[in-house]
This record gives sequence, C-alpha cells and structure tokens, in this order.
Amino acid sequence: DTAVSQTPKYLVTQMGNDKSIKCEQNLGHDTMYWYKQDSKKFLKIMFSYNNKELIINETVPNRFSPKSPDKAHLNLHINSLELGDSAVYFCASSQDETGDQETQYFGPGTRLLVL
Amino acid sequence: SQQGEEDPQALSIQEGENATMNCSYKTSINNLQWYRQNSGRGLVHLILIRSNEREKHSGRLRVTLDTSKKSSSLLITASRAADTASYFCATAGGGSTLGRLYFGRGTQLTVWP
Repeated sequence: DTAVSQTPKYLVTQMGNDKSIKCEQNLGHDTMYWYKQDSKKFLKIMFSYNNKELIINETVPNRFSPKSPDKAHLNLHINSLELGDSAVYFCASSQDETGDQETQYFGPGTRLLVL
Repeated sequence: SQQGEEDPQALSIQEGENATMNCSYKTSINNLQWYRQNSGRGLVHLILIRSNEREKHSGRLRVTLDTSKKSSSLLITASRAADTASYFCATAGGGSTLGRLYFGRGTQLTVWP
C-alpha cells in the first residue's frame, strides 16, 4: 500500500544512454512533481503536472521529458545522459497545487549514477 | 533566492536533549513546511505553518514562524536516537511560484544513545 512509488530504485548507466524513471501514486492526488537532489542534498524542483498537464518546468534541459499518461503516473525520460545528471530523483504528489494544501508526499527516490 | 537555508548544517546531541534547527528565507511566503529525510529515503512531511500563524505543535515538534525576520525554527524535544535524520525547511509562495516548494540544504541531526 505504498503511497508514492518509483522504479527503479537504483540506475547505473553509461554517458549518452537514454533512460526512464517511473512514478505512481495511489493517493488520488491531482498534482505530481519531479525533484533532483544533488550530492550536497540540495533538493530542487524540476517539473510539476496537474491532472496530466505540465504546470511547472523549472528551466530543465530538454533532454529531460516528463510524461503523464494519467494523473496517477508521472514518468521521467532522460536522453543523452551526462555525468552531471548523476543524482537522486524524487517523485512527489500533492492534493492540489492551487490551494493551501501544499503538503507533498515523496517517493523513495531513484539513485542515478552516470559513468 | 527563494529557497530556505537551514542552520546549523549539522547538529549532534545526546538522547533526551532538545534539538533546535533554524531556517531563513528571503521572499514572502504562503506557508513554510518542515520535512525529514532518513538516510537513503524520501522526504516525509512533518509540519506546515501558515504565514498568519506564529507557532504550531505536533507531538514532540514545535515550529515557530517570524515573517518579519523571515525565519522559522523547528524544536524537537526529548530527542531519541530514531530522530537521527536530515531536516529540511521548504517555503511555499503564491503568484508565479504557486505550487513550488523551495527547499534548503537541510540540517543533519545525529542523536546519540
């Protein structure tokens, strides 16, 4: 009964490859997010989707393409991986991005290492 | 910068002691939230305090907010070894930043048994 789940948990790949990370939430939330946490634990928002529509794109390179097939899923595809993409990627969800109910629920993270 | 900044970066205390962490930010906010992250895990929401609130309690947690100083503090009373984790503050604003949470770099708390 995991609330926000991500797969895979670990991802090790070569520079230049394309990879995807999947996220699913069973909380019935309308809004989902992708965050990147660097080696210094700095957590920064990348994207936000509300009911399958992109509402936040925080100047992320276009090698990163989020896709939301339905409001319970938000996947992240990364093309031409670079060394600097190595980080922990967190998916999160919240009830509604417009109200004051902005508590976010985080997945366990995907640890990406680009060699 | 819109993100919060926690202070201290690291805090080491004995079980039973209180732990206080501070957060400062630079822009106006709708609310401020504190999250906890255990090593190798995702973040867990602890408490949310709105801009018109000054203090909030939840169990052993006490959060204060001073919007005039743009600062918040998180107090954990009677700490336990299980409280060992990183603690992050996150600010939520309105207008063009609606829906975004801006996180600090966290305070690493270690509680020794």
